[in-house]
Amino acid sequence: AQSVTQLGSHVSVSEGALVLLRCNYSSSVPPYLFWYVQYPNQGLQLLLKYTTGATLVKGINGFEAEFKKSETSFHLTKPSAHMSDAAEYFCAVGNTGNQFYFGTGTSLTVIP
Amino acid sequence: NAGVTQTPKFQVLKTGQSMTLQCAQDMNHNSMYWYRQDPGMGLRLIYYSASEGTTDKGEVPNGYNVSRLNKREFSLRLESAAPSQTSVYFCASRRPGTGAPGELFFGEGSRLTVL
Repeated sequence: AQSVTQLGSHVSVSEGALVLLRCNYSSSVPPYLFWYVQYPNQGLQLLLKYTTGATLVKGINGFEAEFKKSETSFHLTKPSAHMSDAAEYFCAVGNTGNQFYFGTGTSLTVIP
Repeated sequence: NAGVTQTPKFQVLKTGQSMTLQCAQDMNHNSMYWYRQDPGMGLRLIYYSASEGTTDKGEVPNGYNVSRLNKREFSLRLESAAPSQTSVYFCASRRPGTGAPGELFFGEGSRLTVL
């Protein structure tokens, strides 16, 4: 069975500050991990993904995430928050079947 | 590029009415999905279709039916709508992967209110 836990349903940061959104997963098989972003009244867009290889993954808009097997984590970071980063962020775990499991989401607010 | 297109974008129903949400993708993907999004619950899978002609239940299939009409289209039907089905519905298709799952591409959502 696979599942995802996102710690913190709401995160607020000041503009220019570090963004850290937490994601822990549970998987009995090697995980395939994804971060998606959802802007208001829109669908989800892929930020980045980890399948195999390098554990530090870079995505769009300056975001990156590090796969840590020992901690079963895939936290999302960005060194300097921008106002346009305000959105909802979802972590997901997939498998080679057809299932994707999403976390409950983290709403990011950026304070000017 | 249209990607994944959902219709309608908004709908208000009365309890007991039926309706169909339409979804079409133009990326030639085999796999398609229907999710519902509710506050504090993330996205929950309703049904998915691994290929044309096949459908499978997801986490929350009760009260819904689906049809994979062809490779492009995957519709979701509510036969007798209930207030508990008030939600935002997302259709997605999955890019094929080689050895690992490809990512999902989402439509913009269909916002359904059942009174």
